[in-house]
Amino acid sequence: DAKTTQPPSMDCAEGRAANLPCNHSTISGNEYVYWYRQIHSQGPQYIIHGLKNNETNEMASLIITEDRKSSTLILPHATLRDTAVYYCIVRVISSGGSNYKLTFGKGTLLTVNP
Amino acid sequence: NAGVMQNPRHLVRRRGQEARLRCSPMKGHSHVYWYRQLPEEGLKFMVYLQKENIIDESGMPKERFSAEFPKEGPSILRIQQVVRGDSAAYFCASSQGALGGNQPQHFGDGTRLSIL
Repeated sequence: DAKTTQPPSMDCAEGRAANLPCNHSTISGNEYVYWYRQIHSQGPQYIIHGLKNNETNEMASLIITEDRKSSTLILPHATLRDTAVYYCIVRVISSGGSNYKLTFGKGTLLTVNP
Repeated sequence: NAGVMQNPRHLVRRRGQEARLRCSPMKGHSHVYWYRQLPEEGLKFMVYLQKENIIDESGMPKERFSAEFPKEGPSILRIQQVVRGDSAAYFCASSQGALGGNQPQHFGDGTRLSIL
């Protein structure tokens, strides 16, 4: 799976949009971008994933650049409960190989301030 | 709308004892994965199971660790003769769909194992 690079930490004011960047410049055509977050003392929580089109669900939006070398996770109205470590993971989707192994890096610690 | 259920949430064992960690996947999910998170580190894959089958245990230590996912009941991660280095958070995830399918893994809240 392609390597991802994320800033170690970010701050955001409550109520504002949080934009979390991820660089995956070596991504290949059959690799999806997944986002998870881990709130302290809890398990990772699936947020969203996408291949090349922008995606939106009830939690967040995922914007993937046209060349697919980077993406941004957007939390439109951050709350204090969104304080967590956010992980950007690139994962091959194919019928073979060990692509079920999620590789968690260090992620971005997002702190939402009142 | 139950998610992945793990129990116990906290488990304390003395060195040499056995630890049994349980995981009930989300309803309709037949694929289970175990991960371990050591203090101040990211999650590391341990084992992937389907009902009654171990698909990949390449991330699991060869000795003292075993996992099963029986036809009936939860998946069990078993650690025999625990040592201090086994202290960690153990997370279980489950997914729908076949190997390689575009299905996200959903995680439980983990079991925090402490070895005295």
